[in-house]
Parts: sequence; structure tokens; C-alpha cells
Amino acid sequence: ETGVTQSPTHLIKTRGQQVTLRCSSQSGHNTVSWYQQALGQGPQFIFQYYREEENGRGNFPPRFSGLQFPNYSSELNVNALELDDSALYLCASSRRSGISTDTQYFGPGTRLTVL
Amino acid sequence: QKEVEQNSGPLSVPEGAIASLNCTYSDRGSQSFFWYRQYSGKSPELIMSIYSNGDKEDGRFTAQLNKASQYVSLLIRDSQPSDSATYLCAVSEEGFQKLVFGTGTRLLVSP
Repeated sequence: ETGVTQSPTHLIKTRGQQVTLRCSSQSGHNTVSWYQQALGQGPQFIFQYYREEENGRGNFPPRFSGLQFPNYSSELNVNALELDDSALYLCASSRRSGISTDTQYFGPGTRLTVL
Repeated sequence: QKEVEQNSGPLSVPEGAIASLNCTYSDRGSQSFFWYRQYSGKSPELIMSIYSNGDKEDGRFTAQLNKASQYVSLLIRDSQPSDSATYLCAVSEEGFQKLVFGTGTRLLVSP
């Protein structure tokens, strides 16, 4: 167990709806990154949050947005859901932002299905 | 587009054999290299990290890095059926923690 928790475990939504996924980082970690993993693919970087600000973003549209709170927990929000948003959403926490050697520890993920 | 390439497999090895997993990357600015193991339906779990050219050993696992060839590999000695999983190679560049993953290699270890 990495100490990173995510909720909910599974979620089913319909196209056009909005969803919020939550992540609590490991104790002592101030950086949270979000990844999307489609079936049969490797995880793809969505964005990273450090000290409550977005600190880097991957190739995802603006309808993917996030927040980080003072306790370093984080939310991923996806608006106007599309069928292709169906995936495993992974949260990873690390101790320090900007240090490439710092290990990212993954939570168990949230499986989102869009119908 | 920074890319990480892996053979999707499956790589089938008998129990007790050495499994060799390979990965190439396109960005010469990559500084940190990671191997994650992912069981079906689970999240990735860190197996090894390597930052310098050469070999790094941890128990039954050895990671090998060759920055000139942009190549990183993972050797699993004395493979066990419990090693059957998908192995993801990931790289990141200096100053930024974004991980770029390959699609993973599925390893099957038969008893």
C-alpha cells in the first residue's frame, strides 16, 4: 500500500455529464499528479498540482480541470463527458515538485465508465 | 512528441528462467527512468528506478540503462508465476516530474 487513496473506486456516467474524482496524497507529499489510463495503454499525464497551483499539463482539453487543497489532497473534474473518457484515472503523489528522481506513488485508481 | 516504446508481448517464460524486458525512448533530455509493475485491474507499483548509465540490482531485479542508445531494460531472475503482470517503462526529464509511459509488456510466467 502506498498511502495514496482515491474515491470513488468505480463510477458510471452518461455522455455529457460531469464527474469529480478525489485523491488524498501520502503523508509528507505535497505534489499530486493525475494520469488517465485507457484499456491496453500506458498511463497518460493529465496535469500536476503543487502548492495548490497547476504545475504542468499534458495534452488534455480544458474540460479536464483540477484543484489542490491546503492539505495537499486533490480533485480531478471532467466536464461534458465523452465516451473516450472511459478509463482508469490514477492519482500519484510525490514529495517534491520539479525533482525528476522523486518517486511517484500511485493510488488504486478510479474506474470511470461513460455510457 | 516524446515517446517510450515497449514490445506489448506477451513474453512467456518458464518458472525459474530470466525474463528480459526492454524499452527505448525518444527524448535525449530524459534523466530518470522507472519500471512499474501493474497487475490486471490494479494500479502501477514501482519496481525499480535508475538514473545513471549501467546496472542497478535489487533482489531478483536488475535495471540496465544506456543513455547513448536511449535504451533501458529490466531483468527478472528466477521468474515466479507471481511475476506475471504488465511491466510499464516510464521516463521523466530533469526539472519536471511528468512521467511518459510506454504501453507496457505483458509477462507470463508458467509453472
